[in-house]
Amino acid sequence: GAVVSQHPSRVICKSGTSVKIECRSLDFQATTMFWYRQFPKQSLMLMATSNEGSKATYEQGVEKDKFLINHASLTLSTLTVTSAHPEDSSFYICSAGDRGPTEAFFGQGTRLTVV
Amino acid sequence: DAKTTQPPSMDCAEGRAANLPCNHSTISGNEYVYWYRQIHSQGPQYIIHGLKNNETNEMASLIITEDRKSSTLILPHATLRDTAVYYCIVRVGRGYQKVTFGTGTKLQVIP
Repeated sequence: GAVVSQHPSRVICKSGTSVKIECRSLDFQATTMFWYRQFPKQSLMLMATSNEGSKATYEQGVEKDKFLINHASLTLSTLTVTSAHPEDSSFYICSAGDRGPTEAFFGQGTRLTVV
Repeated sequence: DAKTTQPPSMDCAEGRAANLPCNHSTISGNEYVYWYRQIHSQGPQYIIHGLKNNETNEMASLIITEDRKSSTLILPHATLRDTAVYYCIVRVGRGYQKVTFGTGTKLQVIP
């Protein structure tokens, strides 16, 4: 199946700093990517929909100024957690699919710890 | 998208078949049943999907009842690597779109 790669897989940062997470589709073009967040022992929650060449669409309750999404090419979307705080510590996962009738493929996730 | 109900947890002996049930009594005629799984600290993995016919692939089988109000995912010979949270999702149409995850079933495969 198609491959979606996330980087980094794990990151620790200090409170107040910003962290960028990359999501790449390795063997197909993804006009749309989705970003999810998962807290311990909880299910995945959709944060935002990333559209290539246009602004992202955020789910209710997700601060767009805090979670900056850039989808500048058909193979790369980035999520930047700005001014991170300990409560932003979570598992962040992206998914992507190609243009045809195919399935969503998920990245391996990024474990963010804010200290 | 229709709501699904799954048991929170199940155990299965290694080598035996794991049968994971899912209720989706409010499913609409154009909604598909999808199954994903998430192994600890990894991203979700697509397993299988179906509309009304039973489906089988190299990973699993999907049995959908005639009234489509419930389904069962079958892992024919469970291994320790199948220990994961399994999500049953019902959504309109095929193709790539956002996935709304419920709480899933935590399957523990026991040696």
